[in-house]
Amino acid sequence: QKEVEQDPGPLSVPEGAIVSLNCTYSNSAFQYFMWYRQYSRKGPELLMYTYSSGNKEDGRFTAQVDKSSKYISLFIRDSQPSDSATYLCAMIGDTGTASKLTFGTGTRLQVTL
Amino acid sequence: DTGVSQDPRHKITKRGQNVTFRCDPISEHNRLYWYRQTLGQGPEFLTYFQNEAQLEKSRLLSDRFSAERPKGSFSTLEIQRTEQGDSAMYLCASSLREKAYEQYFGPGTRLTVT
Repeated sequence: QKEVEQDPGPLSVPEGAIVSLNCTYSNSAFQYFMWYRQYSRKGPELLMYTYSSGNKEDGRFTAQVDKSSKYISLFIRDSQPSDSATYLCAMIGDTGTASKLTFGTGTRLQVTL
Repeated sequence: DTGVSQDPRHKITKRGQNVTFRCDPISEHNRLYWYRQTLGQGPEFLTYFQNEAQLEKSRLLSDRFSAERPKGSFSTLEIQRTEQGDSAMYLCASSLREKAYEQYFGPGTRLTVT
């Protein structure tokens, strides 16, 4: 079983919809939770990170972390065709000792006109 | 552009040949990471440097793989005697030591072994 599970999709939504992307994880040592966006044949782009449990908002994006359930989410409001990409969740432990990111497989999102 | 850069962007090689990739991190970042990504998967950690010291290597990094970061600036990843299973996207990322959660990735080098 993988440390981080993510539904690969594809997820297809109409323009303007609210998108919900999710990951579950098994390693309770994870402390920081990141979301990356990756366009086809490009490197991942860091969207936002959250420390421990809670919510964080940045423009149309909201990240939620529930450490008690080992469940994280990314919400995209008013989705646009330019949001069409693969969204990767990533996690890391205490940065005093941890170094590597552990990624989910990514969810492919298609926003249609 | 002051982001992470990688060269080449695409490499096609024949099985058994050696290849070398280069990564230039964000200038003030003291940590540099290498990841590998295959189709339909998330990136997997290979190794990382803090300044010029290589501090961790994944079990994915076989003896055919070697990485260096001389003088703590750019890094190279060499694969010797390439195999078809080495075909993947090789990604480089960098961060500050105290902000390992903020890793910024380069565009990647896509390796195709024929």
